[in-house]
Amino acid sequence: QVHLVESGGGVVQPGRSLRLSCAVSGFTLSDYDMHWVRQAPGKGLEWVSAIFFDGSDEDYTDSVRGRFTISRDNSKNTLSLQMNSLRAEDTAVYYCARERPSVTGIFFFDYWGQGTLVTVSS
Amino acid sequence: DIQMTQSPSSLSASVGDRITISCRASQGISNYLAWYQQKPGTAPKLLIYAASSLQSGVPSRFSGSGSGTDFTLTISRLQPEDFATYFCQQGNSFPLTFGGGTKVEVK
Repeated sequence: QVHLVESGGGVVQPGRSLRLSCAVSGFTLSDYDMHWVRQAPGKGLEWVSAIFFDGSDEDYTDSVRGRFTISRDNSKNTLSLQMNSLRAEDTAVYYCARERPSVTGIFFFDYWGQGTLVTVSS
Repeated sequence: DIQMTQSPSSLSASVGDRITISCRASQGISNYLAWYQQKPGTAPKLLIYAASSLQSGVPSRFSGSGSGTDFTLTISRLQPEDFATYFCQQGNSFPLTFGGGTKVEVK
């Protein structure tokens, strides 16, 4: 069975850093592109970042570009998100999500973790 | 960026009802659209991809249609477990974007 388990969330002061991890099992991580998606309390979903299956390319939403870094260690079945210079507006539940491979090039997510809450507050 | 607009933002319905949720993209996205269901405190669950393809294990009362800019999610006979929030997502180009969500509540 496919499982994604996030960890690393917590309460952090503005301007500080936090590193999220996503441990995966039940599939071969190196076969899939992976993403982070967040959801502010009571709000909708916002795509944050993506990384190619082999780590060769990555992308970010504009609001986190230059502050967040996505990475992966396929040998350890782990996806990570390093978050620096955190702001109050980064407060959200952060989900890791697996992108389902598609021959047509459509990007969507077939498995999600349970999420980890990041609260940025002084 | 492609903006995704869902309507309505909420609706009240009864078990057995047929309901439809609309999603409009700010530019054409072919059939590069997915629908998710989310219940409180849980992660989103994929229902529909490529606008009309049913994800494995999802009941057949869920269906999707549309192409270009206008899409619809239909639940043919609402069941108690279907009361939840539904999101559309364009999978055409980065940044990937979601609709604002439609909360389906008990009438």
